[in-house]
Amino acid sequence: GAGVSQTPSNKVTEKGKYVELRCDPISGHTALYWYRQSLGQGPEFLIYFQGTGAADDSGLPNDRFFAVRPEGSVSTLKIQRTERGDSAVYLCASSQGVAFSEQYFGPGTRLTVT
Amino acid sequence: LAKTTQPISMDSYEGQEVNITCSHNNIATNDYITWYQQFPSQGPRFIIQGYKTKVTNEVASLFIPADRKSSTLSLPRVSLSDTAVYYCLVAENTGGFKTIFGAGTRLFVKA
Repeated sequence: GAGVSQTPSNKVTEKGKYVELRCDPISGHTALYWYRQSLGQGPEFLIYFQGTGAADDSGLPNDRFFAVRPEGSVSTLKIQRTERGDSAVYLCASSQGVAFSEQYFGPGTRLTVT
Repeated sequence: LAKTTQPISMDSYEGQEVNITCSHNNIATNDYITWYQQFPSQGPRFIIQGYKTKVTNEVASLFIPADRKSSTLSLPRVSLSDTAVYYCLVAENTGGFKTIFGAGTRLFVKA
């Protein structure tokens, strides 16, 4: 079946602009995660959804970052007033949401802020 | 969430067995141990998960001693395509919980 997909694969934007990154999880997966990965580092947790609600958003770095999952499937990560430090690969993962189920990752969106 | 410590990098040759050890001294009673693999320009991929003793699947084995303060991922007869970053994670509920990745271990397999 189809895996997790993310669009766009690459995004270049200017400092101060607004961007949206989209994640399509595996059908039927109730849990969805967003991570940010900088070069040479492990993925950094941003936010976790269980269904439509954000169960844990403690990883969002500041109020410029926001994510939604209105129908419990597709999720959008929104970044306002982008800064050069936001440049990274943004990864999305989904899982069945039950105890100890593995996470399936998408290929990521590479965001470059110039 | 229990912190994990892994070697930064390891080198190996094709055909050898590779063992990567992860320390997690503060692991809690309900925590499971999970390993992921990541290739360049891809998202991480689940390899194996365990709670205690030994777990084996088609790609790896996971050894966990009785005190559970460490775990060892064993890759039998590695090939060049096993060159990747390997992450050890410890969490109470990896399917629906905040997940913390460390820096991982960069494995280089040489011909």
